[in-house]
Amino acid sequence: GIQVEQSPPDLILQEGANSTLRCNFSDSVNNLQWFHQNPWGQLINLFYIPSGTKQNGRLSATTVATERYSLLYISSSQTTDSGVYFCAVGSRTAGGTSYGKLTFGQGTILTVHP
Amino acid sequence: EAGVVQSPRYKIIEKKQPVAFWCNPISGHNTLYWYLQNLGQGPELLIRYENEEAVDDSQLPKDRFSAERLKGVDSTLKIQPAELGDSAVYLCASSLEAGTPQYFGAGTRLSVL
Repeated sequence: GIQVEQSPPDLILQEGANSTLRCNFSDSVNNLQWFHQNPWGQLINLFYIPSGTKQNGRLSATTVATERYSLLYISSSQTTDSGVYFCAVGSRTAGGTSYGKLTFGQGTILTVHP
Repeated sequence: EAGVVQSPRYKIIEKKQPVAFWCNPISGHNTLYWYLQNLGQGPELLIRYENEEAVDDSQLPKDRFSAERLKGVDSTLKIQPAELGDSAVYLCASSLEAGTPQYFGAGTRLSVL
């Protein structure tokens, strides 16, 4: 099956700093989502971005599908940004029909200090 | 609009006991997923439903796990009997259809003693 690797595994920042999280995947995808898992365990949708660039406030994401990677940018980080960030991808079958299943990376644990 | 609703949020049981988790997806979402998340790892798919049909249950341990989605809306995941290694968070997600964005519930944290 498809492999998903996230880096870095851990990231510690001071409030106000910027950061970039990376997600590499091993096959063509038709679904790529970035999630933030808060300390209570809730997975919060950040972006649905199988290709292209999107921005939402202080967060933005870029997926270069041909090179099989995606980047999540966090600017002016806040303590509430702390938690685990997951990249998850869905791959196509050989016939082009989506499996539907999301394969998750191991996550990046982000800690933002005041 | 309400998100994916799961209950209970927490469950503590003794090993060999049965347990059931319930999920109500977002209204209009045809596809429903159950994922398992172990500590320190990303979620892994257990089963996917398209309406009331289970179309991908290859990762579901069928000797002790069962699931159903009656009338293509709510779903129940059952474990019988539970083992110590089943302690984890069980997440339900839904999407309009396969390949579209998935939205997750808050999960059920299961502890088997």
